[in-house]
Amino acid sequence: QQQVKQSPQSLIVQKGGIPIINCAYENTAFDYFPWYQQFPGKGPALLIAIRPDVSEKKEGRFTISFNKSAKQFSLHIMDSQPGDSATYFCAASERNAGNMLTFGGGTRLMVKP
Amino acid sequence: KAGVTQTPRYLIKTRGQQVTLSCSPISGHRSVSWYQQTPGQGLQFLFEYFSETQRNKGNFPGRFSGRQFSNSRSEMNVSTLELGDSALYLCASSSYDTQYFGPGTRLTVL
Repeated sequence: QQQVKQSPQSLIVQKGGIPIINCAYENTAFDYFPWYQQFPGKGPALLIAIRPDVSEKKEGRFTISFNKSAKQFSLHIMDSQPGDSATYFCAASERNAGNMLTFGGGTRLMVKP
Repeated sequence: KAGVTQTPRYLIKTRGQQVTLSCSPISGHRSVSWYQQTPGQGLQFLFEYFSETQRNKGNFPGRFSGRQFSNSRSEMNVSTLELGDSALYLCASSSYDTQYFGPGTRLTVL
């Protein structure tokens, strides 16, 4: 059972565009929602994370929007650059489940120069 | 601080063999989690260790096991390897909610 659904699977944007990646979850016990960036041959690196008590969080060019009632959250990348080309994963975890992350399927982003 | 280190980085084994992978967490981190990453199944949680005790376990067969030592270093073992065990195995160490991943061990089963 896939508890975190991520879309789209792949995305191509022009430099300067704003790619948006969406995730939806089913488990209402989830209370921590991180986004990870992964380059080929590397492990995932934490980009930004949010908790359900806020609807939006910004860190640099990355913004998470969170809709608790819809059980959805999304990542926006402002002024995207070719160096942002990578695979992005959303994830979720429960407060009482230690550090067990449930990941979305991933989105392969390509930013064209 | 140094990041999470994993050894070896690449490994080739044959079916039926067993393998042990090692992970050294970031200094001061007491939680270590293991994940399997494959093109078909994505990133899947294997297990988490905290202060030498398994705290969580994912939906994997008993052939997959792990342990954590008093210095927080962790090992995972896969016995009786199958072709489907070919994957990137990632270790992550945690400080509170934030998990920091290592580069992974690429296991190929022939």
